[in-house]
Amino acid sequence: GAGVSQTPSNKVTEKGKYVELRCDPISGHTALYWYRQSLGQGPEFLIYFQGTGAADDSGLPNDRFFAVRPEGSVSTLKIQRTERGDSAVYLCASSPSPFGGTGSSYNEQFFGPGTRLTVL
Amino acid sequence: QQPVQSPQAVILREGEDAVINCSSSKALYSVHWYRQKHGEAPVFLMILLKGGEQKGHEKISASFNEKKQQSSLYLTASQLSYSGTYFCGTELRTSYGKLTFGQGTILTVHP
Repeated sequence: GAGVSQTPSNKVTEKGKYVELRCDPISGHTALYWYRQSLGQGPEFLIYFQGTGAADDSGLPNDRFFAVRPEGSVSTLKIQRTERGDSAVYLCASSPSPFGGTGSSYNEQFFGPGTRLTVL
Repeated sequence: QQPVQSPQAVILREGEDAVINCSSSKALYSVHWYRQKHGEAPVFLMILLKGGEQKGHEKISASFNEKKQQSSLYLTASQLSYSGTYFCGTELRTSYGKLTFGQGTILTVHP
């Protein structure tokens, strides 16, 4: 596709249930990022992948959150035993590579439209 | 660790200028700027690297003061389309690829 896509666009679940959120990055982008955004706040980093491996998962709040990217393209964010505090918009972004010639993040991140998760 | 943005909100008339600031208590390697409209995904504006290198849109300018760990985004001759929430994302040398975003600055441009 032309951009980053995320499914579903909205997810309503009950406390304690398991949910999966999917991200399809731009074709060829090796880096993929997951963020969580609460109302009135900036995106909060969760995890980023370089290829199939998680390069930095320091933002995952606890062991209920897990993400995979088995083939280096599509990624799934998995949340077990959901809590009301998990309600937020979950954003996915991708970039051609996290690193430019200087070794820093010289490439822009392209964000998807997000999945709005509501835990009742 | 979250960068601090100021002001929290700005209201402008078309054609007026604005400056949005982003400050960090940590030594930064790069600063990224994004704009987000209500209900939409953040959109890239600018990247500023340690050493002065920049990458971004022609109509947007920004600065990065490495000594003060501060960045400023300059919006000149504002247009209605500039309205939205502006976020800076900071990257530390110790965690390449990981961006920490500020709380945002809400910019409203009136006719």
